[in-house]
Amino acid sequence: GAVVSQHPSRVICKSGTSVKIECRSLDFQATTMFWYRQFPKQSLMLMATSNEGSKATYEQGVEKDKFLINHASLTLSTLTVTSAHPEDSSFYICSARHLLGGKTEAFFGQGTRLTVV
Amino acid sequence: LAKTTQPISMDSYEGQEVNITCSHNNIATNDYITWYQQFPSQGPRFIIQGYKTKVTNEVASLFIPADRKSSTLSLPRVSLSDTAVYYCLVGEQQAGTALIFGKGTTLSVSS
Repeated sequence: GAVVSQHPSRVICKSGTSVKIECRSLDFQATTMFWYRQFPKQSLMLMATSNEGSKATYEQGVEKDKFLINHASLTLSTLTVTSAHPEDSSFYICSARHLLGGKTEAFFGQGTRLTVV
Repeated sequence: LAKTTQPISMDSYEGQEVNITCSHNNIATNDYITWYQQFPSQGPRFIIQGYKTKVTNEVASLFIPADRKSSTLSLPRVSLSDTAVYYCLVGEQQAGTALIFGKGTTLSVSS
């Protein structure tokens, strides 16, 4: 089946620094990828839609200058958390949808646990 | 996007059948119903998808009544490893459209 790989799986950074998270579709091309954030005991919240070759679309309340998204190829999207603060500590998950077996499934990365200290 | 409503939590014992019902009163004609499973600190994983009637795969069954305003995920003979959060999502089969997650159902399986 299709695989979405996310790296790193966990990262600890100091306040004020930036962190880059990579999301790759390993065996299919993804024109569109999605970035979610999940706080403890809560559901996944859509942050932005990443579009290959064009600007990302951000959900209301998500700062585009803080969460930089680059979708440079059909298999790679990156999320950079700039000037990270402790409140940015969360579980970040990427996703891409792919037609498989006659239906469009969403495949998710393993997630990245970001801790800002 | 159609809103979904699920029970917040459910408890079960190993070997029992678990049925989780999801309400989606405003489902549109082109919407499919999909269920995902999520373990702690992992991304969600696809379980099953259907449009109407009954769908069965190696891990679950999905029952959808004729009016499609609800659906029931059935997990036969659950084990401890089925303890997870289960999400019911409703939406079109469009690769460019994001999935919007509701609160999900936390299933706890005990021995």
